[in-house]
Amino acid sequence: AQKVTQAQTEISVVEKEDVTLDCVYETRDTTYYLFWYKQPPSGELVFLIRRNSFDEQNEISGRYSWNFQKSTSSFNFTITASQVVDSAVYFCALSPNAGGTSYGKLTFGQGTILTVHP
Amino acid sequence: DAGVIQSPRHEVTEMGQEVTLRCKPISGHNSLFWYRQTMMRGLELLIYFNNNVPIDDSGMPEDRFSAKMPNASFSTLKIQPSEPRDSAVYFCASSAPRGETQYFGPGTRLLVL
Repeated sequence: AQKVTQAQTEISVVEKEDVTLDCVYETRDTTYYLFWYKQPPSGELVFLIRRNSFDEQNEISGRYSWNFQKSTSSFNFTITASQVVDSAVYFCALSPNAGGTSYGKLTFGQGTILTVHP
Repeated sequence: DAGVIQSPRHEVTEMGQEVTLRCKPISGHNSLFWYRQTMMRGLELLIYFNNNVPIDDSGMPEDRFSAKMPNASFSTLKIQPSEPRDSAVYFCASSAPRGETQYFGPGTRLLVL
């Protein structure tokens, strides 16, 4: 069985602070994908990043960066110099990328509510 | 490019009524997923299709729920009869192929009174 844990239920920061959202996962699959999605107050789910379990390189996209550590089963997300528009619920998710009926099924964490105050 | 399209965006109905939610996946995507989001249970996968064939419906809560995908560009999720505990946001997502990134529609907010 797969499990994704986002231990931080809510985080509150002031604009321009850096913030890290934690994600820890459990899986018996040898190959898998990890994802982050953003759900702003408007409600839609916006894809941010996908990481293959083979690729442990960290990634940076503008103010966003992701730290994947297979040894600790973690896939943390950092927002640098946070802005009010970053306020949203952020979901970490896991999916096996091998065959079988589980292939493609996303398991989501419970989400972290990020509030950035001006 | 058009994303995943869902309709209606909001639905208010009374207990016992039939509810039909609709989804049009991104053109060229061959996998389609239905999710439900509630405060108590978070995001749950209900059912998914690959090439219009249901692959796994183990997340469908009970027989009152059914889903179809008659062609590559259309899917429905039906609840009959509806109950207040079905109130939630229902998302449709698509991917190509099924192991790749899922892109979500805007969701349907369902309220059953």
